[in-house]
Amino acid sequence: DAGVIQSPRHEVTEMGQEVTLRCKPISGHDYLFWYRQTMMRGLELLIYFNNNVPIDDSGMPEDRFSAKMPNASFSTLKIQPSEPRDSAVYFCASSRTGSTGELFFGEGSRLTVL
Amino acid sequence: GENVEQHPSTLSVQEGDSAVIKCTYSDSASNYFPWYKQELGKGPQLIIDIRSNVGEKKDQRIAVTLNKTAKHFSLHITETQPEDSAVYFCAASIDTDKLIFGTGTRLQVFP
Repeated sequence: DAGVIQSPRHEVTEMGQEVTLRCKPISGHDYLFWYRQTMMRGLELLIYFNNNVPIDDSGMPEDRFSAKMPNASFSTLKIQPSEPRDSAVYFCASSRTGSTGELFFGEGSRLTVL
Repeated sequence: GENVEQHPSTLSVQEGDSAVIKCTYSDSASNYFPWYKQELGKGPQLIIDIRSNVGEKKDQRIAVTLNKTAKHFSLHITETQPEDSAVYFCAASIDTDKLIFGTGTRLQVFP
């Protein structure tokens, strides 16, 4: 299996622009998680899905952030408009059993907002 | 909600020495405690986990202990090697609820 695939690996954009991050989970995994990693706040859970349905989005910072999972093999995290404080590494992870089993992380998308 | 604290934030050891990383959690209902290792430029990877019905678990050079009464758990790495250098995260969750991570420990193993 190819593992969790994220794109782009690196994104540099200007404040106010729309950013879309993409994730392909491991086939057969029913859970998908979006995490954000910064030096100050560590790994923060933004949102997670079970069977394509958003279960908990309480970690989404504000209305500028949105996430979708239109099917079992694809998810997006969108930031519109982007701000410099959104600069971080965004990880997608998938799991068969939710938070009480192994999470398989992608390699992350490093976002820099100028 | 759950809060996980992790210490130390950085740890330097000589190759062959042991390393210990400690975490505390706030919610006594938490019942799953994994440890993840993150190498530079990569996503975190599970190295060991323990559930609340077990006090200790070992896998070769790594072991995890859990003290439910005190609400703390620890990662022990023995006979450290340079390839153990990475950032280690503890985490806690309750049933299928969200996994909350600690702030991470940067371990450096010097040859």
